[in-house]
Amino acid sequence: AQSVTQLDSQVPVFEEAPVELRCNYSSSVSVYLFWYVQYPNQGLQLLLKYLSGSTLVKGINGFEAEFNKSQTSFHLRKPSVHISDTAEYFCAVSQNDYKLSFGAGTTVTVRA
Amino acid sequence: DTAVSQTPKYLVTQMGNDKSIKCEQNLGHDTMYWYKQDSKKFLKIMFSYNNKELIINETVPNRFSPKSPDKAHLNLHINSLELGDSAVYFCASSQDGSGAYNEQFFGPGTRLTVL
Repeated sequence: AQSVTQLDSQVPVFEEAPVELRCNYSSSVSVYLFWYVQYPNQGLQLLLKYLSGSTLVKGINGFEAEFNKSQTSFHLRKPSVHISDTAEYFCAVSQNDYKLSFGAGTTVTVRA
Repeated sequence: DTAVSQTPKYLVTQMGNDKSIKCEQNLGHDTMYWYKQDSKKFLKIMFSYNNKELIINETVPNRFSPKSPDKAHLNLHINSLELGDSAVYFCASSQDGSGAYNEQFFGPGTRLTVL
């Protein structure tokens, strides 16, 4: 079974500053990794995913994430955030068991 | 052209009542899910159906019963509602439930409030 740990529950950040959201997973087999964003009062939307190949994955809205197998991490980054990036961010892991395991989420608050 | 839709968006009801939430996806996906998101934003899988067959049934009270009349629909019926059932319920779908094909598309959620 896999588990997902998001190391930061809340990340306040100023507009135009960079942000990094940390995600670690535990699994003994190959996994597929996802980052989702949930804007206030909305459903979850996929930001990006790692399935195979290049470990640096680019997603929507200027986000990117790096898969590090040795450190079992999949950290999300954005070089310059906007007010509109204020949201809840979820890291998720999938194997071949029909389950998508979510982390507890990171609340990002962008201030002017 | 909503991909995953849920009705109703809001549901306010009294303890002890029975209610249903409906979900439809027009993506042609084989697998559908129900999640519960609590007040701390934690997402918990409840059920999953693949081609109308139940494949995930997590530790959920049997007051909750999913029903999938066809691949495009997955409804959730809740009997004898309790205060602790108050949450946001999300429906989701994926092309297939396994591994790389488990990119899930979420509905907008149904906020259930039990008084």
